[in-house]
Amino acid sequence: GEDVEQSLFLSVREGDSSVINCTYTDSSSTYLYWYKQEPGAGLQLLTYIFSNMDMKQDQRLTVLLNKKDKHLSLRIADTQTGDSAIYFCAESSFKAAGNKLTFGGGTRVLVKP
Amino acid sequence: GAGVSQSPSNKVTEKGKDVELRCDPISGHTALYWYRQSLGQGLEFLIYFQGNSAPDKSGLPSDRFSAERTGGSVSTLTIQRTQQEDSAVYLCASRAVGYEQYFGPGTRLTVT
Repeated sequence: GEDVEQSLFLSVREGDSSVINCTYTDSSSTYLYWYKQEPGAGLQLLTYIFSNMDMKQDQRLTVLLNKKDKHLSLRIADTQTGDSAIYFCAESSFKAAGNKLTFGGGTRVLVKP
Repeated sequence: GAGVSQSPSNKVTEKGKDVELRCDPISGHTALYWYRQSLGQGLEFLIYFQGNSAPDKSGLPSDRFSAERTGGSVSTLTIQRTQQEDSAVYLCASRAVGYEQYFGPGTRLTVT
């Protein structure tokens, strides 16, 4: 079945860039997503990328996709304390009914002042 | 505009009781999903509704779990004879014609 893997934890200093990595196994993945979850809250969609793209930039966020290696990354420029949260990588596929999401385990990002 | 809403936000129930969790999707969104977030299993897909089509129930963990969506809008997830392993945050998401799923705040279920 599909599998999405992420590292568990990332610590970064305020003002530095954060890079969160994700790998996936499903070669038919169509869309890849990044969601943010703050304590006690639901999932906030940050950005997503179609599998035929290799990069997408949205303000402080840059998504890089290496389809050959099935590797996805999210770079957050000028990281702020408000960026402290858990970040989930997810994939969906036309194969899966309704494009249901398969999530990674989440990366907890801690931003230190 | 209004996002996805879920109620209750927290639910504590005794083992063996039935619970109902409610989701109000974003108006006009035809697709609705339920996911479960637990410490042991992470985020898992449970069930998917699209318009008037038969739901995709492939993620439901047991026959104690069921869901319905009335009038193509509000959905209710029902868990019968709750067990302690059902304790989790139940998340609802909705989607329009694109590929972006928008999530509600979740219902935290605790089975004692």
